[in-house]
This record gives sequence, structure tokens and C-alpha cells, in this order.
Amino acid sequence: ETVLTQSPATLSLSPGERATLSCRASQSISNYLAWYQQKPGQAPRLLIYDTSNRATGIPARFSGSGSGTDFTLIISSLEPEDFAVYYCQQRSDRVIFGQGTRLEI
Amino acid sequence: QVLLQESGPGLVKPSQTLSLSCTVSGGSVSHGTYYWSWVRQRPGKGLECIGYISNSGTPSYNPSLRGRLTISADTTKNQFSLKLSSVTAADTAVYYCARGQLFGEFAFDYWGQGMLVTVSS
Repeated sequence: ETVLTQSPATLSLSPGERATLSCRASQSISNYLAWYQQKPGQAPRLLIYDTSNRATGIPARFSGSGSGTDFTLIISSLEPEDFAVYYCQQRSDRVIFGQGTRLEI
Repeated sequence: QVLLQESGPGLVKPSQTLSLSCTVSGGSVSHGTYYWSWVRQRPGKGLECIGYISNSGTPSYNPSLRGRLTISADTTKNQFSLKLSSVTAADTAVYYCARGQLFGEFAFDYWGQGMLVTVSS
């Protein structure tokens, strides 16, 4: 069973800083990965699909990279609205999510 | 713009069946290569995809729930539904319906607002 492990669990940064979020798969199942942002009381929102493609309407400060077992989401310069929980996701025999990284001020 | 809206009881008794529906507007559950999905989030926890049904009507279930879970689609109402039997308190969660799409790989591009279902007597 493939597991996605996100690190760090919590990331404390300030607006204007650069955020680097990691997602590691326990085995290589795909070179593709998706990232989601979730704010309190809201549904998740697709940010990145296929590792590096921004979803419709997602600002250019969000970028994704990686392959195999190691993937990264970078937010180049944090805006106040970026503080949220971020999840990575892949599909093997089933759809799996990482446990999330909380990005806090 | 695709919109999804969950509906159903917010309170279910233990051992009973949890039933939710998702109404889709701006898209069709029977056309296109999409996977009409259910994702749940237990209180304070992460996301769990519990299953989906393709536009051809083929379901796929999370192995941890197989045997208790049925996902189906009603093309006349443009809805898809979830039935989870023999529920316990561990099934208390916000249930989201979502559309899965195969880009190069699978991702959920549209989500409903979510519905809290509490399992309690």
C-alpha cells in the first residue's frame, strides 16, 4: 500500500516569504501528483495537477515539481490568503492523499 | 462552470445506512471521461477518497470500505449517490462530492461544499 508523507506537518512563515512543501511517496507509482489547498470550513481547491500544471485561476506564485517519489510545492511569495492546509494526492489502486501540511502565519 | 451539491440526512443512527446524493449542474454524469467521486474528512483529520463511479457506470471503492459501500448514478436526475451501510461513529465526517478528471493522471477539479454527517443515537 502506497503512502504519501507530507513534510513539514506545520510550516510557520510570514507574508512575502517563500514556502516549500514536500510530498514523498513510499514507492514510485506515477510521475504525476496533484496539490490542493483547503481553508477552514471550505472544500479543497485544486492547485496543481500532473505535478507542475496550475489549475484554472491559480496564481503563478504557485508552482509544483518532482518525479518518482519526491514532489514539491513552492509558493514563491506568500500572500495572506495562502495560509491554509495543503494536501498532495496520487492514484494507485485507489486515490490517496497525504496527511497535509498546515501553513500558518 | 460545474457545480456539485450534496444532500441528505445530517444525522444517522449507528448500524443504519448513510445515504447522500450529489446533484451536478453545468456538466453531465454520463458524458465525458470523468469520475464522480466521494471524499470524506473526519473531524480535524485529512482527506479520504472513499470511491467513485465513472461516466460508464463502473464503480471503484476504497478497499477499507468495500462491502459497506455502494456508489451509483442516476443519469435522469444528473446525480450520483453514496450508500454506506452499518455505520459507526468512525463514519462521522464531512462528505464531499467531487469530479475526478484524468489529466495525465487523476485529480479532483470540482468539489461540492461538503456535508457534515454525524453518526449518533
